[in-house]
Amino acid sequence: GENVEQHPSTLSVQEGDSAVIKCTYSDSASNYFPWYKQELGKRPQLIIDIRSNVGEKKDQRIAVTLNKTAKHFSLHITETQPEDSAVYFCAPHSGGGADGLTFGKGTHLIIQP
Amino acid sequence: EAGVVQSPRYKIIEKKQPVAFWCNPISGHNTLYWYRQNLGQGPELLIRYENEEAVDDSQLPKDRFSAERLKGVDSTLKIQPAELGDSAVYLCASSLENIGTEAFFGQGTRLTVV
Repeated sequence: GENVEQHPSTLSVQEGDSAVIKCTYSDSASNYFPWYKQELGKRPQLIIDIRSNVGEKKDQRIAVTLNKTAKHFSLHITETQPEDSAVYFCAPHSGGGADGLTFGKGTHLIIQP
Repeated sequence: EAGVVQSPRYKIIEKKQPVAFWCNPISGHNTLYWYRQNLGQGPELLIRYENEEAVDDSQLPKDRFSAERLKGVDSTLKIQPAELGDSAVYLCASSLENIGTEAFFGQGTRLTVV
């Protein structure tokens, strides 16, 4: 099965600064790379995803970059705001589609006012 | 359109008792997942259905856990008997298909075993 690691486990940044969270995976057949955001007491929700034929994708203040050779992808949040405080999970889709989403352990992002 | 609906939201039971969770996925979604999330951890897959077929149940503790998805729509997850270590949030999710599509999560059932 897929081995997924996220770094860092906790990230504290000043409001307005940028945050970067990295996810490494083991299955070279992984082809779909989503990031989920989970606020305290709420359900995980997709915030951005990327497929294996694309290197980068942006959506306003959020971007995801993919390095398939090195088997990692990263979440970038610019101009961070208090509402960005949450736990972020990467969930690479392994097995070329044969397997489901394998979630990382999460990164707790804290935005300091 | 309604999202993924789970019930109950909260459940407190004594150890050794049975418990069941119910999930109604988004209409038209063929893939249904049950995840377990412990405090401070990421969701861990228990079982995945494609329509009514369980295609991945390798992480489901089959001695006490069972699941079904009748007619490829609603699903139930059962624990019998429950143990203290089963206390967690049980999340149901659905997606149009398994390959490269967004998974939509329900609000989860928070189980406390005492």
